[in-house]
Amino acid sequence: DAGVIQSPRHEVTEMGQEVTLRCKPISGHDYLFWYRQTMMRGLELLIYFNNNVPIDDSGMPEDRFSAKMPNASFSTLKIQPSEPRDSAVYFCASSLQGEGYNEQFFGPGTRLTVL
Amino acid sequence: AQSVAQPEDQVNVAEGNPLTVKCTYSVSGNPYLFWYVQYPNRGLQFLLKYITGDNLVKGSYGFEAEFNKSQTSFHLKKPSALVSDSALYFCVQGYSTLTFGKGTMLLVSP
Repeated sequence: DAGVIQSPRHEVTEMGQEVTLRCKPISGHDYLFWYRQTMMRGLELLIYFNNNVPIDDSGMPEDRFSAKMPNASFSTLKIQPSEPRDSAVYFCASSLQGEGYNEQFFGPGTRLTVL
Repeated sequence: AQSVAQPEDQVNVAEGNPLTVKCTYSVSGNPYLFWYVQYPNRGLQFLLKYITGDNLVKGSYGFEAEFNKSQTSFHLKKPSALVSDSALYFCVQGYSTLTFGKGTMLLVSP
């Protein structure tokens, strides 16, 4: 398996523009997570899905952020409009929970810079 | 709310020496605890986990961690450090969702 795939790896945009980050989880995994990592705040959980259904979006900073998972193999995180303070590395992770806890597998991340 | 504390921003150790990266957790009862590692410009990688059972957990790359309920600690250890172990290490607590510590940078000098 190729692991969790994220695109793009780097994104540079101007304030006010729409940004869409993409994630393909590992095949067969039933949980998908979006995280944001910054120097100031560390690693934060934004939202997670179980079987394509959003379970907890309490970490989404504000209405400018939205996430979807239209099917088991694809998810998007959208920021509209983007602001400089959104600059961060965004990670997608997936896991197969089943019985007991299993580790999350992280993608390589998308480094977002908003000018 | 559950939380984990990593008291050291950075740990420096010489290659070949033993290393310890400290972590304490907050939840009562039986916590689920993990260690993840992040190499530069990479995503996080799972190292090891404690769910139940033996207090000494062995993981990837020769790392191990000791669960101590009385001290609410879950320190990461390795008997002999390698320069390639230099990375950012996260102590993590949780079940379906994870709560990450702020991370500890491990620097292993040749």
